[in-house]
Amino acid sequence: QKEVEQNSGPLSVPEGAIASLNCTYSDRGSQSFFWYRQYSGKSPELIMFIYSNGDKEDGRFTAQLNKASQYVSLLIRDSQPSDSATYLCACVTGNQFYFGTGTSLTVIP
Amino acid sequence: DTGVSQNPRHKITKRGQNVTFRCDPISEHNRLYWYRQTLGQGPEFLTYFQNEAQLEKSRLLSDRFSAERPKGSFSTLEIQRTEQGDSAMYLCASSLGLAGLGQFFGPGTRLTVL
Repeated sequence: QKEVEQNSGPLSVPEGAIASLNCTYSDRGSQSFFWYRQYSGKSPELIMFIYSNGDKEDGRFTAQLNKASQYVSLLIRDSQPSDSATYLCACVTGNQFYFGTGTSLTVIP
Repeated sequence: DTGVSQNPRHKITKRGQNVTFRCDPISEHNRLYWYRQTLGQGPEFLTYFQNEAQLEKSRLLSDRFSAERPKGSFSTLEIQRTEQGDSAMYLCASSLGLAGLGQFFGPGTRLTVL
């Protein structure tokens, strides 16, 4: 079982809609969770991090963490074509960052 | 530019040759990580340093791979006797502390082994 699981997609949403990206993790001891955006051919770019149960909002992005269900999600409101990318979920377990395989998002104009 | 930098950005080599990559982290970051990423996969952990100490190395990492961070600043990753399966993007990331505000990645070095 992988440490972090993501639906690879692709996920397509129309411009202006809400995109919902999901991630589950296997180690209940994981404490820190991160979302990265990666454009094709580029390196991952940190979008948000969340440590506590509940929601954390930053602009158009909201991260949600449910430690009981071992579930992390990212909501992107008012999706823009520039949001089209692969979104990577990561968690910190022990001394390592574990990344999911990413979900490909396409925002259709 | 105060971000993470990596050199070279691209490397093409023949099978059996040795290659070395360099990473310069964000200056105040004490942790430095190396990852490998192939198409359609997330970054795969290779090794990490806290200051100059290499604290962990992936079990999947062949002994052909070695990394150093001699003065706790820049780091090098060397691959000896390269194989075609080593072709990938090699990413370096740095962070302040274990997680802090997250890891910040460099642009990567794309290795092609012919």
